[in-house]
Amino acid sequence: RKEVEQDPGPFNVPEGATVAFNCTYSNSASQSFFWYRQDCRKEPKLLMSVYSSGNEDGRFTAQLNRASQYISLLIRDSKLSDSATYLCVVSTNYQLIWGAGTKLIIKP
Amino acid sequence: DTAVSQTPKYLVTQMGNDKSIKCEQNLGHDTMYWYKQDSKKFLKIMFSYNNKELIINETVPNRFSPKSPDKAHLNLHINSLELGDSAVYFCASSQNPATDTQYFGPGTRLTVL
Repeated sequence: RKEVEQDPGPFNVPEGATVAFNCTYSNSASQSFFWYRQDCRKEPKLLMSVYSSGNEDGRFTAQLNRASQYISLLIRDSKLSDSATYLCVVSTNYQLIWGAGTKLIIKP
Repeated sequence: DTAVSQTPKYLVTQMGNDKSIKCEQNLGHDTMYWYKQDSKKFLKIMFSYNNKELIINETVPNRFSPKSPDKAHLNLHINSLELGDSAVYFCASSQNPATDTQYFGPGTRLTVL
């Protein structure tokens, strides 16, 4: 089993829809969790950190479920500009483990 | 103004050559990293380094070596390049290794012919 797993997609979603991604991790001792976004042919950039209580930033909501060892990202009212690959990142033993990413395509 | 910069942006070279990629960060971060992203887009960490410790991903061939002349620079040297080394290489930095945001450079697209 991979340490961090994501559905690679692509997710093809109409503009304005709500889309959710999940990411599972294998090590229950993992300490910190993040979502990064990577546009085509660009570098990854932090989208948001994920806190135990869940957190929201505008149209984006991130949640952590330690019992089931997964984190989620919800995007509401999706925009064309949300098209990108979303990378789940988990910190375990002070090392960052990256998921393979989920590709999202927003269609007009 | 660029936080993390890399040169060159594109590198095309022949098999067997030795090449270097330079990375500089002006964020005052203590930790720098090199990542490899292959054609399948999977981002793999190669090295993480601060002024105390170099952590090497054990899957990285010893043809790859990081060199840090100072805290703001972490260069990547690659000896005897192979076709499978073709990928995009990203440099990144953060203040703390595992809890803080990582800031990435724009990437270096390496093509080995």
